[in-house]
Amino acid sequence: TQLLEQSPQFLSIQEGENLTVYCNSSSVFSSLQWYRQEPGEGPVLLVTVVTGGEVKKLKRLTFQFGDARKDSSLHITAAQTGDTGLYLCAGDGIHGSGNTGKLIFGQGTTLQVKP
Amino acid sequence: GAVVSQHPSWVICKSGTSVKIECRSLDFQATTMFWYRQFPKQSLMLMATSNEGSKATYEQGVEKDKFLINHASLTLSTLTVTSAHPEDSSFYICSARDWSGDPYEQYFGPGTRLTVT
Repeated sequence: TQLLEQSPQFLSIQEGENLTVYCNSSSVFSSLQWYRQEPGEGPVLLVTVVTGGEVKKLKRLTFQFGDARKDSSLHITAAQTGDTGLYLCAGDGIHGSGNTGKLIFGQGTTLQVKP
Repeated sequence: GAVVSQHPSWVICKSGTSVKIECRSLDFQATTMFWYRQFPKQSLMLMATSNEGSKATYEQGVEKDKFLINHASLTLSTLTVTSAHPEDSSFYICSARDWSGDPYEQYFGPGTRLTVT
């Protein structure tokens, strides 16, 4: 059973298009993090969200944490070829148990942005 | 952001030998580090939690005698794959949490590609 369902798992779009990646769970998390990973490298932290309903913006990326802290989304505006990569959501403190550092990862979304 | 390093970045070994992978937090102290493995085109799977000065905590299904973890200092954890076999070939990634920030943030190393021939 996948505790964090990420969708879509694959996404191929043209440069300039917008996209949204979803990360859903039936469990509450104390915090949720989004990472971007390139082949052969470790994940790079993009953002951490901790408050239900929280919205954070990082240039063209907008992250939202659901009110109930069970789901999150990543929206990219005007995608660029440099956005290509594997995007991972990861939850900490399942069932609201508090942050422990033991991250539960979603399956990942492979994004390809074509020129 | 905080930096976590790993060494080596890649290693090839023969079946039956042991391989040690180091994970260091470079600019913060990490009482807890984590070890993950990642198969091609898949997500990360937590293997174990490395606790400074005490025994590691392994996830279900991970053989503690095969994957030896030592966390002897606040900046270094090591993972030793003992008697490696081809099925142990994978991408091993460590992470460390920087508890000084608000919110707490977790940083990952660049990974170690292990190939067992």
